[in-house]
Amino acid sequence: GAVVSQHPSRVICKSGTSVKIECRSLDFQATTMFWYRQFPKQSLMLMATSNEGSKATYEQGVEKDKFLINHASLTLSTLTVTSAHPEDSSFYICSARGTGVTFSTNEKLFFGSGTQLSVL
Amino acid sequence: RKEVEQDPGPFNVPEGATVAFNCTYSNSASQSFFWYRQDCRKEPKLLMSVYSSGNEDGRFTAQLNRASQYISLLIRDSKLSDSATYLCVVITGANNLFFGTGTRLTVIP
Repeated sequence: GAVVSQHPSRVICKSGTSVKIECRSLDFQATTMFWYRQFPKQSLMLMATSNEGSKATYEQGVEKDKFLINHASLTLSTLTVTSAHPEDSSFYICSARGTGVTFSTNEKLFFGSGTQLSVL
Repeated sequence: RKEVEQDPGPFNVPEGATVAFNCTYSNSASQSFFWYRQDCRKEPKLLMSVYSSGNEDGRFTAQLNRASQYISLLIRDSKLSDSATYLCVVITGANNLFFGTGTRLTVIP
């Protein structure tokens, strides 16, 4: 089945640094990528939707200059948390929908394994 | 009004119990519905799709009620391994996906 690879799985950084998270679709073309954030004991919150080759669409309350999303190819999307602060510590997950592969199930979304970001 | 509403729980049930979760959605044009399971600090995993006619997979039954705009998930004979957060997902249009807040289930020995 389709696989989405996300890394790093865990990152610890100092306040003020930038962190890049990559999300790759391994056997299909991800025309759309979604980025989520999840705080402890809370649900997934959609941050932004990105379509290959165009600017990401951010959800209300998400700072686009702080969370830079690049979806330059059909297999790679990146999320960069710029000037990270402790309040940005969270679990970040990407998911993808795509074309070019026959889905063996009715699954619509393929998730990366998530990145736990801890900002000191 | 939220696109998708779900009781966050927690639901604490003994092993062997039957438990049901509901998820309501606001957009009558929504066309695809799913239940996902998420373990702590892991990505959500597709549990089952929800079809108009209802569908069953072992101990799990999913149903869709379009008239009342809700989907349900029934778990029979609960196992300890069923402890997780269950998320409903509603898709409207090509790229409008909405998650419920998730319902936490703990199955107690």
